[in-house]
Amino acid sequence: EAGVVQSPRYKIIEKKQPVAFWCNPISGHNTLYWYLQNLGQGPELLIRYENEEAVDDSQLPKDRFSAERLKGVDSTLKIQPAELGDSAVYLCASSLDSGGLAYNEQFFGPGTRLTVL
Amino acid sequence: QKEVEQNSGPLSVPEGAIASLNCTYSDRGSQSFFWYRQYSGKSPELIMFIYSNGDKEDGRFTAQLNKASQYVSLLIRDSQPSDSATYLCAVNSGGSNYKLTFGKGTLLTVNP
Repeated sequence: EAGVVQSPRYKIIEKKQPVAFWCNPISGHNTLYWYLQNLGQGPELLIRYENEEAVDDSQLPKDRFSAERLKGVDSTLKIQPAELGDSAVYLCASSLDSGGLAYNEQFFGPGTRLTVL
Repeated sequence: QKEVEQNSGPLSVPEGAIASLNCTYSDRGSQSFFWYRQYSGKSPELIMFIYSNGDKEDGRFTAQLNKASQYVSLLIRDSQPSDSATYLCAVNSGGSNYKLTFGKGTLLTVNP
């Protein structure tokens, strides 16, 4: 079974440029997450989708970040314009379901390492 | 702000020893707790989850939960050099909406 796929793996851009990241979740997983991970920190949730609906985007900086998950499968996260502080690893994860109070394993993709110069 | 606290380490143990990793959380309503392992330059992978008070064992790993003290730990018995990684504690702080809040992680080094 293929895991979560992300591209590109690495991206270097100059500040004020736009950038986009793509994620394809595990087949059949209806919940998709985008996280940001800074060096020496744990992942921080940016947005969570259930199918094509963004059910939690409270931590997404909406002035410059946007995301979409058309058809409830793969997803794109965009930053426009990028700032120096956006340099981080952007992780995508997916799970079968996000509901319930018990166990729900999130499977992470390899991440996209963004460097903003 | 719901917080998850971990000692950043590094925690260094000799091969074969028990490694003990600790985590505290601020949201008393948290219901499920997860330990992820992250090798350098790689993505996190789930090791164990726990949601009932007490111990839960899986091979060389034991998770311990004490909701009254808002404390969760991970013990790794017979530590191996391949266990050297950052261990992330994550707490479901969203209840049925399921929102994971991660700690900063503890770097574990197992010395041969």
